[in-house]
Amino acid sequence: DAGVIQSPRHEVTEMGQEVTLRCKPISGHNSLFWYRQTMMRGLELLIYFNNNVPIDDSGMPEDRFSAKMPNASFSTLKIQPSEPRDSAVYFCASSLSGSRQPQHFGDGTRLSIL
Amino acid sequence: TQLLEQSPQFLSIQEGENLTVYCNSSSVFSSLQWYRQEPGEGPVLLVTVVTGGEVKKLKRLTFQFGDARKDSSLHITAAQPGDTGLYLCAGLVRAGGTSYGKLTFGQGTILTVHP
Repeated sequence: DAGVIQSPRHEVTEMGQEVTLRCKPISGHNSLFWYRQTMMRGLELLIYFNNNVPIDDSGMPEDRFSAKMPNASFSTLKIQPSEPRDSAVYFCASSLSGSRQPQHFGDGTRLSIL
Repeated sequence: TQLLEQSPQFLSIQEGENLTVYCNSSSVFSSLQWYRQEPGEGPVLLVTVVTGGEVKKLKRLTFQFGDARKDSSLHITAAQPGDTGLYLCAGLVRAGGTSYGKLTFGQGTILTVHP
């Protein structure tokens, strides 16, 4: 079975540019999470969707960050304008509903803002 | 904000040695998860412990949840090079009145097992 699919795997762009990260959750999963991982701060939850609705976006760092989930099989995380401090690995994870359901992570997008 | 402190941050050992990774917090968690992450990949769930004092074994890995559900440990017996990776603990706090649970991750322990 296909796992969580993220694209692109790597993105290098100049500061000020718009960046869009994409995620396809596991079919049938109705919870979707976006995380950011850095050496300094570790793995941090940015936003959580349940049934395509944002439930907790308290981890979104600034207004420059936005996330959408137009349908059950697709989500985007957008950064506009991007800054060098946004450089990190961004992970998408999905799970069935329920707090104890295991989260399945994609392989991440490594983002470098020059 | 719930914080999870993992120790040690780095661990470099020889094949066959035993090791323990600790995960501590001042907060109570409804459950605690351990993940393993390899370079270029996302974290993969190893185990979830739910009950205070619970011990779970996964082959050579033993996971324990503290009685007060504030801390946990991962013990690996006779480590092998294939155990090399980043080990992450994550505590789950349920939002009151909902089925939503937010995971807070520790900083991770980078384990290197030399042949």
